[in-house]
Amino acid sequence: KNEVEQSPQNLTAQEGEFITINCSYSVGISALHWLQQHPGGGIVSLFMLSSGKKKHGRLIATINIQEKHSSLHITASHPRDSAVYICAVSDNNDMRFGAGTRLTVKP
Amino acid sequence: NAGVTQTPKFRILKIGQSMTLQCAQDMNHNYMYWYRQDPGMGLKLIYYSVGAGITDKGEVPNGYNVSRSTTEDFPLRLELAAPSQTSVYFCASSLVSTGELFFGEGSRLTVL
Repeated sequence: KNEVEQSPQNLTAQEGEFITINCSYSVGISALHWLQQHPGGGIVSLFMLSSGKKKHGRLIATINIQEKHSSLHITASHPRDSAVYICAVSDNNDMRFGAGTRLTVKP
Repeated sequence: NAGVTQTPKFRILKIGQSMTLQCAQDMNHNYMYWYRQDPGMGLKLIYYSVGAGITDKGEVPNGYNVSRSTTEDFPLRLELAAPSQTSVYFCASSLVSTGELFFGEGSRLTVL
């Protein structure tokens, strides 16, 4: 069993829909990261959080430390949100990555 | 600022050849990392460095070597390339060990 599990693996939505991507982990962490990988391959950091909730534009990330679970929400989804979303957990110098959730938003 | 710069973007190698993937960052980050990404799998850590002159193995170090002679540069050396090393390689850096990661654009390597 992977230490970081994401669901779903693939997600297709219509433009405007509310999107939720889930991440569960089984190890102790200092922080959890949400990353976005565009079709061209580049990876950018969206959020880094260790508790509570963070919001940036239409993106919201939450974490529940007790349940070892995080969610990434996208409100009013748009085709440009189509990408692979990766959850990663870090502790000291060690970072473990989920396999990613491929999101396709159709116009 | 350029951020994290990786070269080359693409390379095809024959089995047994050697090559170096270059990585440079201009953010004065202490921490630098090399990851590989295989289809359907999460990123795997190959090597990391916590500062100039210090390197350490990650999860999948076999077949690779690194050096960190300066804060800015963290090259990854592949000796005796094997088909199992066909992958996309990402260099990343962060200011602190659990800080925000900044990634290079990736290097797609094919070993035939």
